[in-house]
Amino acid sequence: SAVISQKPSRDICQRGTSLTIQCQVDSQVTMMFWYRQQPGQSLTLIATANQGSEATYESGFVIDKFPISRPNLTFSTLTVSNMSPEDSSIYLCSVEAREYQETQYFGPGTRLLVL
Amino acid sequence: AQTVTQSQPEMSVQEAETVTLSCTYDTSESDYYLFWYKQPPSRQMILVIRQEAYKQQNATENRFSVNFQKAAKSFSLKISDSQLGDAAMYFCAYRIRDDKIIFGKGTRLHILP
Repeated sequence: SAVISQKPSRDICQRGTSLTIQCQVDSQVTMMFWYRQQPGQSLTLIATANQGSEATYESGFVIDKFPISRPNLTFSTLTVSNMSPEDSSIYLCSVEAREYQETQYFGPGTRLLVL
Repeated sequence: AQTVTQSQPEMSVQEAETVTLSCTYDTSESDYYLFWYKQPPSRQMILVIRQEAYKQQNATENRFSVNFQKAAKSFSLKISDSQLGDAAMYFCAYRIRDDKIIFGKGTRLHILP
């Protein structure tokens, strides 16, 4: 399985500010995914990021609020912009397994608290 | 639309005993994939087991096994010889190729010493 790291692991931010979350994979992958997990809830897909193209956002998520970069095949960032307390969540990145592309492996997550 | 239902929000099991977590799903597809993920308090999502729908044989991974009933659209997870480290949130998930993963709401499993 791929080794995925995320930075920061947690953060406390003030409303109105922005936070950029980094996701690094130890091998080249075509697609990377960003999820949000609100407190006590399941995972919701924010967007899919392919290298060299615009990210594809799910319904209810927009690029202005969650801009994503994918500069190469091992790295991606998700920015949470103009944060409000409702953005307090765990944010996880994931990648498809090389041997089973329908399977996803997840990073350790970033716990965000917005005051 | 595809849905995944986990009807047990919480469960408890005595250490060393066996527990079964339920999952049902709704789909009109015939070729798909099913997963169980574990999320301990550390919050990392860990793949426990995967099942390909076209395979009739139930997947197993050490103490973890599934009971896959395709006609009934049921995909339960059995944990044998439960250990304290098994305490976590367990998510059942479904995916068809080239589409997003759909997660259930999760079952929180407590292990009683």
